[in-house]
Amino acid sequence: DTGVSQDPRHKITKRGQNVTFRCDPISEHNRLYWYRQTLGQGPEFLTYFQNEAQLEKSRLLSDRFSAERPKGSFSTLEIQRTEQGDSAMYLCASSANWDSAFFGQGTRLTVV
Amino acid sequence: AQSVTQLDSQVPVFEEAPVELRCNYSSSVSVYLFWYVQYPNQGLQLLLKYLSGSTLVESINGFEAEFNKSQTSFHLRKPSVHISDTAEYFCAVSRTNRDDKIIFGKGTRLHILP
Repeated sequence: DTGVSQDPRHKITKRGQNVTFRCDPISEHNRLYWYRQTLGQGPEFLTYFQNEAQLEKSRLLSDRFSAERPKGSFSTLEIQRTEQGDSAMYLCASSANWDSAFFGQGTRLTVV
Repeated sequence: AQSVTQLDSQVPVFEEAPVELRCNYSSSVSVYLFWYVQYPNQGLQLLLKYLSGSTLVESINGFEAEFNKSQTSFHLRKPSVHISDTAEYFCAVSRTNRDDKIIFGKGTRLHILP
């Protein structure tokens, strides 16, 4: 098992464009989390899934953000009409139990 | 809602000296507590966790943390730091009464001085 995989590692996009990130969790992990991290801050919770069900969404997740986890395996996070304030590192984590979350390397988004 | 406060954004310490990274949490219910570490250019890794039982928990690389319910703290300590401990350390909390997400503090950057 190679751990949690995120793609792409870096993304530069123009303001107003849509972007989609992918996360492949550790196999058989039923929980998957998305976090956002900006410079000097800790990871901020965005949303999480138990299998294919999205259990909670943070108020940070505006209507421009949507996450899916079809079939309870990989997950995608889409940001529509990107804004400069969306520039951040987007982190994905997975766990078999709630108590041991394993993180990917993250996708660094830069909106210009 | 639960929250985590890491009082120090940066902690400089000389190599082989002891260090303490402070973490306080706030929650109206019982919690689980974690320390994660992020080495330069790497992802977050779980360092240690408190779930129940002994209030003193240890990691494999010499760090330890003690859960203090009365002071709502979970400070991280190491008696002698090494240059390889240079990293950002994040304290985190989740509630025990339901399946819950993990909430992180803002992090403390540990800077080891030669």
